[in-house]
Amino acid sequence: GAVVSQHPSRVICKSGTSVKIECRSLDFQATTMFWYRQFPKQSLMLMATSNEGSKATYEQGVEKDKFLINHASLTLSTLTVTSAHPEDSSFYICSARDGGWHQETQYFGPGTRLLVL
Amino acid sequence: DAKTTQPPSMDCAEGRAANLPCNHSTISGNEYVYWYRQIHSQGPQYIIHGLKNNETNEMASLIITEDRKSSTLILPHATLRDTAVYYCIVRPTTFSGGGADGLTFGKGTHLIIQP
Repeated sequence: GAVVSQHPSRVICKSGTSVKIECRSLDFQATTMFWYRQFPKQSLMLMATSNEGSKATYEQGVEKDKFLINHASLTLSTLTVTSAHPEDSSFYICSARDGGWHQETQYFGPGTRLLVL
Repeated sequence: DAKTTQPPSMDCAEGRAANLPCNHSTISGNEYVYWYRQIHSQGPQYIIHGLKNNETNEMASLIITEDRKSSTLILPHATLRDTAVYYCIVRPTTFSGGGADGLTFGKGTHLIIQP
């Protein structure tokens, strides 16, 4: 149980284009989902928190107009990187908090590696 | 800043128990101790968590000192697939619904299992 998937696993795009990353909780309803970013040889950094049906909360220094988050259902959150630039190249990881039995714990997706050329 | 301190790296022989320490001297009474691990190029994997008592599951055991200022994650019979970065994280027991619910990752311990 407690499986989180992400799609795509890897994406390469040209500078200036937008990229959408999906995060799904497969066997539980996620009342809250989180988006993290990890640069090479660094730890994960929280970007934003999204609760189903409400606006996301962004961490300091994360541009909400550049990283659009939608959490339209209890099993799906999307992160759209708008007008991507090479410095946005990173490993993007989502996590989901189970709103039910195991609600204390966050479960992570496998990550999406974004390369912007 | 992370509220935990871990050694940057450790080696362990395959088949032996791996004991990973973590200091969290400023932990408060309403904070859990969580352990995750991250195998190269993958998302973090939940291992175990605890509040006061020692915990055991199919992956590992968690030993928390009586004063809760430190803990040890024990992998009883380490295999090569246990090579990963292990993160010890403290987190409030209640959720606020905002960014404070997110996890703060430190640098973790890079555990290398030697054949």
